[in-house]
Amino acid sequence: AQTVTQSQPEMSVQEAETVTLSCTYDTSENNYYLFWYKQPPSRQMILVIRQEAYKQQNATENRFSVNFQKAAKSFSLKISDSQLGDTAMYFCAFIESLLTGTASKLTFGTGTRLQVTL
Amino acid sequence: EAGVAQSPRYKIIEKRQSVAFWCNPISGHATLYWYQQILGQGPKLLIQFQNNGVVDDSQLPKDRFSAERLKGVDSTLKIQPAKLEDSAVYLCASSLALGYGNTIYFGEGSWLTVV
Repeated sequence: AQTVTQSQPEMSVQEAETVTLSCTYDTSENNYYLFWYKQPPSRQMILVIRQEAYKQQNATENRFSVNFQKAAKSFSLKISDSQLGDTAMYFCAFIESLLTGTASKLTFGTGTRLQVTL
Repeated sequence: EAGVAQSPRYKIIEKRQSVAFWCNPISGHATLYWYQQILGQGPKLLIQFQNNGVVDDSQLPKDRFSAERLKGVDSTLKIQPAKLEDSAVYLCASSLALGYGNTIYFGEGSWLTVV
């Protein structure tokens, strides 16, 4: 069974600084997608960034970038120039490529609560 | 583009009562999901629809939970009778199609408190 592990329950960073959130996963598949979702207090899950396993280049979206280490099954999120609005729960999620037409299940980690302070 | 719409946003019921949540996915999205998120945990998939057919309901407690998507668009999730442990946020999500390459978009969730 696929699992996603986020070992940092809480993190804190000062405004304008850089922070890295960790995520590891377990799979026997070769093709899959990885995601980071942000969940503010409103509870809506907002997609931050996604990475396709067959792409070696790390994904980047403005201040957000990932460090994808396929052999180590590691997928960390780096937030540069942290802003107060980045305060939220961050979930790492994973979905495998199964047979065409077969249901693919998005599996989430337990989340990291990030607090950005002045 | 309108996002995934859910209602009601908040509901408080007594145990053994029933409750229903409604979801309207993004226009054109064939795949619809219901997730349960208990406080302090990541979301867990309850049921997945492709158009009006169920693709995966392996984690749905079928003795008390039911869901339908009759016309392949809107969906309703029902809990009857509710238990204290059903207190959670129920997230509806949708994607263009089945398959792992499609990004899943979430609604704001329906908060359920069972007292």
